[in-house]
Amino acid sequence: EDKVVQSPLSLVVHEGDTVTLNCSYEVTNFRSLLWYKQEKKAPTFLFMLTSSGIEKKSGRLSSILDKKELFSILNITATQTGDSAIYLCAVGRRDDKIIFGKGTRLHILP
Amino acid sequence: NAGVTQTPKFQVLKTGQSMTLQCAQDMNHEYMSWYRQDPGMGLRLIHYSVGAGITDQGEVPNGYNVSRSTTEDFPLRLLSAAPSQTSVYFCASSLGLPTLTDTQYFGPGTRLTVL
Repeated sequence: EDKVVQSPLSLVVHEGDTVTLNCSYEVTNFRSLLWYKQEKKAPTFLFMLTSSGIEKKSGRLSSILDKKELFSILNITATQTGDSAIYLCAVGRRDDKIIFGKGTRLHILP
Repeated sequence: NAGVTQTPKFQVLKTGQSMTLQCAQDMNHEYMSWYRQDPGMGLRLIHYSVGAGITDQGEVPNGYNVSRSTTEDFPLRLLSAAPSQTSVYFCASSLGLPTLTDTQYFGPGTRLTVL
């Protein structure tokens, strides 16, 4: 059975800290790894990763994929209170299905 | 563009009732999907469609039906509601495949309670 496991499930840090969120997967027919941010309502897209070792960056957020060890990390540097959200990792399969992990709930203290 | 719209925002049903959750997008997106999200869980794929006239099952399709007669609309039908279907339902769409090339946009969600 396909699995996407995120850790930690919950994290509380102070503003300015750097955080690393983890995502491991066991998914047949892997095509891509996706990160989303979910604040109060709908998820919004952050990154899509398809190749190992190539870092994707957007401002203070970055992510990298390791297809040999079957994991990805999402880094957020110099965190701000606006980064408080649930971060969802998902794997896209070649049959066009997307399998989500349970998410990491991140809370940034001022 | 309105993006992805969902109606209703909230709904309360009694066990055994049927209803349809509406989803529409005005971006000419080919790929549309329905997810449910339960507390402490990520999103689970119910059904998806890669284009008008084509639908397929996701992880948790039981108790739900879909059809895609137009590019714009992708309604989700609950045939006989059960308390286990209490959840927040999200519709999403993307121009092409969200697993390969294209960003997936989510609607605001429908909060469904089944008593």
